[in-house]
Amino acid sequence: TQLLEQSPQFLSIQEGENLTVYCNSSSVFSSLQWYRQEPGEGPVLLVTVVTGGEVKKLKRLTFQFGDARKDSSLHITAAQPGDTGLYLCAGVETGGFKTIFGAGTRLFVKA
Amino acid sequence: GAGVSQSPSNKVTEKGKDVELRCDPISGHTALYWYRQSLGQGLEFLIYFQGNSAPDKSGLPSDRFSAERTGGSVSTLTIQRTQQEDSAVYLCASSLLPTGTRLGGRNGYTFGSGTRLTVV
Repeated sequence: TQLLEQSPQFLSIQEGENLTVYCNSSSVFSSLQWYRQEPGEGPVLLVTVVTGGEVKKLKRLTFQFGDARKDSSLHITAAQPGDTGLYLCAGVETGGFKTIFGAGTRLFVKA
Repeated sequence: GAGVSQSPSNKVTEKGKDVELRCDPISGHTALYWYRQSLGQGLEFLIYFQGNSAPDKSGLPSDRFSAERTGGSVSTLTIQRTQQEDSAVYLCASSLLPTGTRLGGRNGYTFGSGTRLTVV
């Protein structure tokens, strides 16, 4: 069974600080996605990374896929209260269709 | 519709009763997935439908759980004889292509807002 471990599980920071969330696995994924979920809503796709070593930027968010396609990170620069939410990484199993989700990182950004 | 629609948004039921949860995917999306999200947990895969192919039911936790997808569109997840451990948010998602395909993997899922099931 493929597993994705996210860390930290919970993060509370002040507005303006930087942070990094990690997503690790011993398995190789064909692609990896990051979602953000707000209370009472379903997860919303932020980005998909496909190539080992790939880096994608979405405004203040930087996503990186590990060279071996087993891990990923999400870095947020100058966090804002609007960034508050549950961040989920999800790996698409190689050669299959299932997407395996991590348990999530709950981020709270204080004004 | 514009998004994935799930109903009801909240359901409280007595232990032992049956419940039906509905998912209306985005029109034209061939793949449909059900996930379960318990408090503090990640999303647990339940079942996957792709076109007219037989569904992958490998994630269903027990034979009390079943799902069907009629006409390649609307899906219903049924839980019989509900137990307290069934309490969770049930999320439905659809994608234009299966995520195992090159393009499908890039596009990811579109999720509904979920049904919060509470078994008392």
